[in-house]
Amino acid sequence: AQSVTQLDSHVSVSEGTPVLLRCNYSSSYSPSLFWYVQHPNKGLQLLLKYTSAATLVKGINGFEAEFKKSETSFHLTKPSAHMSDAAEYFCVVSPLTSGTYKYIFGTGTRLKVLA
Amino acid sequence: NAGVTQTPKFRILKIGQSMTLQCTQDMNHNYMYWYRQDPGMGLKLIYYSVGAGITDKGEVPNGYNVSRSTTEDFPLRLELAAPSQTSVYFCASRPPGQEETQYFGPGTRLLVL
Repeated sequence: AQSVTQLDSHVSVSEGTPVLLRCNYSSSYSPSLFWYVQHPNKGLQLLLKYTSAATLVKGINGFEAEFKKSETSFHLTKPSAHMSDAAEYFCVVSPLTSGTYKYIFGTGTRLKVLA
Repeated sequence: NAGVTQTPKFRILKIGQSMTLQCTQDMNHNYMYWYRQDPGMGLKLIYYSVGAGITDKGEVPNGYNVSRSTTEDFPLRLELAAPSQTSVYFCASRPPGQEETQYFGPGTRLLVL
């Protein structure tokens, strides 16, 4: 069975400091992995995705994530937080063997950026 | 392209009422999905469709129905609204191909009182 665990429900950082949002997955087969961001009262926007190519994935707005198969992790990082990064972040797994390409969502991490 | 559009944006229903949440995409995507998002939770899959005329249940289908008569439209029907269906509903679509991702609509906020 596939699952996703986001290890922190809330993360607070100061503006200009690094961001680390942690995600672990469980999958019987090599999955696709995604990070989505949701700003308050908005829909979901794709930040980045891993689909079996390079293990270090760069996304929009300076975010990146590294796929580590040995640790079954896909943590999201950013070198310097900006106030506009305050939002909810979702880690998502989609097993590649699933012909329906269904998503399995983590419970989300709310990022707070302090001035 | 407008992408994925959803109507209405917000609705209040009384217990036992019915309604249809509309979802339309203009990207000619085969795959479409309905999710619900409860406070503090990730999205849960209600129903999905891999093409016109084909639908299937997701994790939480009870109390909902769907149809897919065209590629563009994927309406979600609530027949007898219950307070447990108070949630934010997101529709998504996706083209075929393993490397593709889902595109989400802006959501419909539903309150059942």
